[in-house]
Amino acid sequence: DSGVTQTPKHLITATGQRVTLRCSPRSGDLSVYWYQQSLDQGLQFLIQYYNGEERAKGNILERFSAQQFPDLHSELNLSSLELGDSALYFCASSVMGDPYNEQFFGPGTRLTVL
Amino acid sequence: DAKTTQPPSMDCAEGRAANLPCNHSTISGNEYVYWYRQIHSQGPQYIIHGLKNNETNEMASLIITEDRKSSTLILPHATLRDTAVYYCIVRVHSGYSTLTFGKGTMLLVSP
Repeated sequence: DSGVTQTPKHLITATGQRVTLRCSPRSGDLSVYWYQQSLDQGLQFLIQYYNGEERAKGNILERFSAQQFPDLHSELNLSSLELGDSALYFCASSVMGDPYNEQFFGPGTRLTVL
Repeated sequence: DAKTTQPPSMDCAEGRAANLPCNHSTISGNEYVYWYRQIHSQGPQYIIHGLKNNETNEMASLIITEDRKSSTLILPHATLRDTAVYYCIVRVHSGYSTLTFGKGTMLLVSP
């Protein structure tokens, strides 16, 4: 158990819909990262937040957005869903200033778009 | 971040050492070598990292060549639970640097 929690574990929805994935980082971790893992694209970094502010952006679509709240939990919002958005979505957290900057990954949310 | 090259798959007998190679010939001086693994559909798990010296922890050993162009992750006594995809990642040691995962090596440990 990494200490990172993600909800829900599974999500099934239809094309065109909007969903919200939630992540709670490990206690004390200020940084949150979102990753998408699909069969054809592998594990891809989407976006990083540090203490409420966006720090780095990867291959995140404009239909996707994220935020980190004052209590440090984060949400990833996916809208106008397409079949290709079906994937595993992982959240990870780390302690900024930790010299090892190890990222701890949550168990993931499996999104299925029908 | 420098690119890495790993074999797509490897086999190992249970109880034997698993040696997973990684080529990172374009690594720059301030980049570290990190290893993560992902057991089927679970979140990736950090294993070890190093700059130029060999490193060892309770999970594995990391051997980095003197020219730093390649490295080997060693699992000294592989178990069935070590079956996973192993990712070699080269990155700057910064709180703001992110992880770029390649395709990794699928290690299958057999009885």
